[in-house]
Amino acid sequence: EAGVAQSPRYKIIEKRQSVAFWCNPISGHATLYWYQQILGQGPKLLIQFQNNGVVDDSQLPKDRFSAERLKGVDSTLKIQPAKLEDSAVYLCASMKIKGNYGYTFGSGTRLTVV
Amino acid sequence: SQQGEEDPQALSIQEGENATMNCSYKTSINNLQWYRQNSGRGLVHLILIRSNEREKHSGRLRVTLDTSKKSSSLLITASQAADTASYFCATDASYTDKLIFGTGTRLQVFP
Repeated sequence: EAGVAQSPRYKIIEKRQSVAFWCNPISGHATLYWYQQILGQGPKLLIQFQNNGVVDDSQLPKDRFSAERLKGVDSTLKIQPAKLEDSAVYLCASMKIKGNYGYTFGSGTRLTVV
Repeated sequence: SQQGEEDPQALSIQEGENATMNCSYKTSINNLQWYRQNSGRGLVHLILIRSNEREKHSGRLRVTLDTSKKSSSLLITASQAADTASYFCATDASYTDKLIFGTGTRLQVFP
């Protein structure tokens, strides 16, 4: 089966600019996650979707970050305006059934804010 | 916040040696998972162990789980240069429906 697709692979923007990341999960995976991974740290969950509904966005900085999952398939994560500390890898993951399988991660988008 | 702490932070070994990484966590869990991340790439799921399991094997990987000590270990036997990567434990906590990652162990295997 095809993996989790993410784009772009790399993005460099200036602070205060906007940026958007796209994720296409594995077909049939109802649950989708966005994680932020700062260099040298483990991934931190930003938001979790179940189909097209938000399950958990408690760690999403809502003043600048937003996310949506159109029709319960593709998802977009947006940052507006970006700050220097947003420089990180943004990882998308999907899961088939909770508790029985691990998550499948995309290759991530490496964001550099200058 | 990160649930797990991993030990050691970095590990360097020769090919053929065994590598052991440890993970400690804070709350009760449904399961614990280990992932590998090659430099600049996404995470790859290695193995999942449920809270009622004590040991699990997959190829050259052996995972143990001690829920009384809230700890897990990952053993990679007969390491290869291709095992060079960062390894993360992640806990599926009982009280919430999300996977929380530890801080990771950077493994370097020299040929």
